[in-house]
Amino acid sequence: DAGITQSPRHKVTETGTPVTLRCHQTENHRYMYWYRQDPGHGLRLIHYSYGVKDTDKGEVSDGYSVSRSKTEDFLLTLESATSSQTSVYFCAIRTGPGETQYFGPGTRLLVL
Amino acid sequence: GDSVTQMEGPVTLSEEAFLTINCTYTATGYPSLFWYVQYPGEGLQLLLKATKADDKGSNKGFEATYRKETTSFHLEKGSVQVSDSAVYFCALSDVRTGNQFYFGTGTSLTVIP
Repeated sequence: DAGITQSPRHKVTETGTPVTLRCHQTENHRYMYWYRQDPGHGLRLIHYSYGVKDTDKGEVSDGYSVSRSKTEDFLLTLESATSSQTSVYFCAIRTGPGETQYFGPGTRLLVL
Repeated sequence: GDSVTQMEGPVTLSEEAFLTINCTYTATGYPSLFWYVQYPGEGLQLLLKATKADDKGSNKGFEATYRKETTSFHLEKGSVQVSDSAVYFCALSDVRTGNQFYFGTGTSLTVIP
């Protein structure tokens, strides 16, 4: 158990509303990641962080922003949700360069 | 760039059958290779990994060998059980090209009694 929690676990929202998903870790690992999972696409990287206030874009970053003001928390924000952002979102941490990624339980987001 | 290709599913097997899920990769360096498993409604869990050529990763009866000459990391199990029903993801990561993981699209396995 890598001590990763995600909140909320489920959310239904309307198009155009802002949404923030939270990932929390208890072990102060440096690297944190946000993915989305969609049928036929596997996991696609949205953003990642390699330390407090150090973040970078992934493959599908358009429409998403992130913040990491504390080591333990990595927030993903959809500034104005769209139906194409309906997905399951996973947070992951990594213990170090070249090491394994460990995943949270996921957040299921439905944008109506 | 780095990428992973794994066999399309879904795969349906009878209990005690032999399982192979193919995975090939493209990488500029010398990546570490991983297999993850995802049970319904859960996040991904590490199943096994290999960090250099000819290494064999193994766990819970599953095995995969890192083959540099064929750029492959095929997942095998000699006798599957109903409880092995899940989605399996192959992935690679190369510290020399960044801190990202690259995942395959996943292969759904259903084992019937």
